[in-house]
Order: sequence, then C-alpha cells, then structure tokens
Amino acid sequence: QSVLTQPPSVSGAPGQRVTISCTGSSSNIGAGYDVHWYQHLPRTAPKLLIYGNSNRPSGVPDRFSGSKSGTSASLAITGLQAEDEADYYCQSYDSSLSGVLFGGGTKLTVL
Amino acid sequence: EMQLVQSGAEVKKPGESLKISCKGFGYSFISYWIGWVRQMPGKGLEWMGITYPGDSDTRYSPSFQGQVTMSADKSISTAYLQWSSLKASDTAMYYCVRWSAQNNPCDYWGQGTLVTVSS
Repeated sequence: QSVLTQPPSVSGAPGQRVTISCTGSSSNIGAGYDVHWYQHLPRTAPKLLIYGNSNRPSGVPDRFSGSKSGTSASLAITGLQAEDEADYYCQSYDSSLSGVLFGGGTKLTVL
Repeated sequence: EMQLVQSGAEVKKPGESLKISCKGFGYSFISYWIGWVRQMPGKGLEWMGITYPGDSDTRYSPSFQGQVTMSADKSISTAYLQWSSLKASDTAMYYCVRWSAQNNPCDYWGQGTLVTVSS
C-alpha cells in the first residue's frame, strides 16, 4: 500500500530532543527513493527542511537532522524551541503511484 | 529571487467553474515541473499531480484524475489549476510547488490559494 505513516503528534519541553518517524514500504522509501521533510507553520506555506534524507537547505539550523534506514526515515530536532511548534511532513516518491507521496503529518507541540 | 506567486483567495458556489494560477519568477519556468498540493481544512498535504510547462505533459494523482485540469502557459510562466463544476468538498488551500524529478523535493512553494465553495 502506498502510504507514508507518521505519528499524529509529538511533544517536548524546550531544550529537549524529539524525533518524528516516517514509515513507508517497498514501493517508496524501501525502493531507495529519497525522503524529504517539510515544516508547516500556521498561515504560511510549507518550507523544505531536509532533502535527500539528511541534507539541510541553506538557512536551516543544524538542530534539524534527518536519517533513513530500510523502509523508514526519521526527523530529529534537538534543543527544542517554541518557534519549532508546527506540523511536519515527510515526502517521498512512490513507484506504484508513479507520483509524489506525503506522510499524514505530525503536529509538534513545545510544552 | 526565485518565487512562485499564486492568485488570490476565491469564494464560489457549488457548480461554478474556477481557474487559479501560479506564476514563476527567477528561474527557467520551462525546465521544471509545477505540482499542485491540496490541504483540506484540518487535514494534511495531498499530491494532486504535475504539469510540465516545457511540453504541457500533465500527470494526475489517481484521486484527482477527472476532477481537475492542470495546464501551463510557458509564454507567461504561469501554471493553472481549474475546476469545471466545484463541490463543497473542494474547499481547501491549494499550493503550487516546483518539482524536478523522482528523487527531488518540492523545493519552492507558492503562498497558497484558499478556495471556499459554499452555497
């Protein structure tokens, strides 16, 4: 099935580390396609946060990091800040759909 | 500076038609796909499909095939998303994105166009 599964929500206190998982299958992440991550703040357009599994675009703090293994990927945020409170989406390519696939999104709450 | 600039918010009635736009600035518009992403109220991002301004090749996600039409006019660096008969369930924010290939991200996003369909 062509789905990327993310936890609906995660939370952490300022300064803590949180991780967001993205689980796919053999037609997307497991097929070797890269995973990208986006940060979606309220009332703004989504912003590319991590590309190619673990690369940060210019301007993205190194508190954000990504990794991929097998059919899953993860986004880690260290030194959590109030401004990190947002929705986070993973994205990959799916060969069964012959198209882009987004995860369901994860809402990060900074306690 | 690279930008995608979308047309403004729309309020329409069920059954009406609509065409929204996305204009590219600061890059070779014909060299990249333009994708469309839907976000329904309180929901996540959904990939609708892509159009290639260079040759008008268009590919739809199965869920959106037959529901919308994507096109582009390369002479004015503008892509379009249109509906022939809107439904209340089309109420959503629509984003255009720049996309280049299977392993590449959506590296630039438009600011979004809010479409509200209500009687």
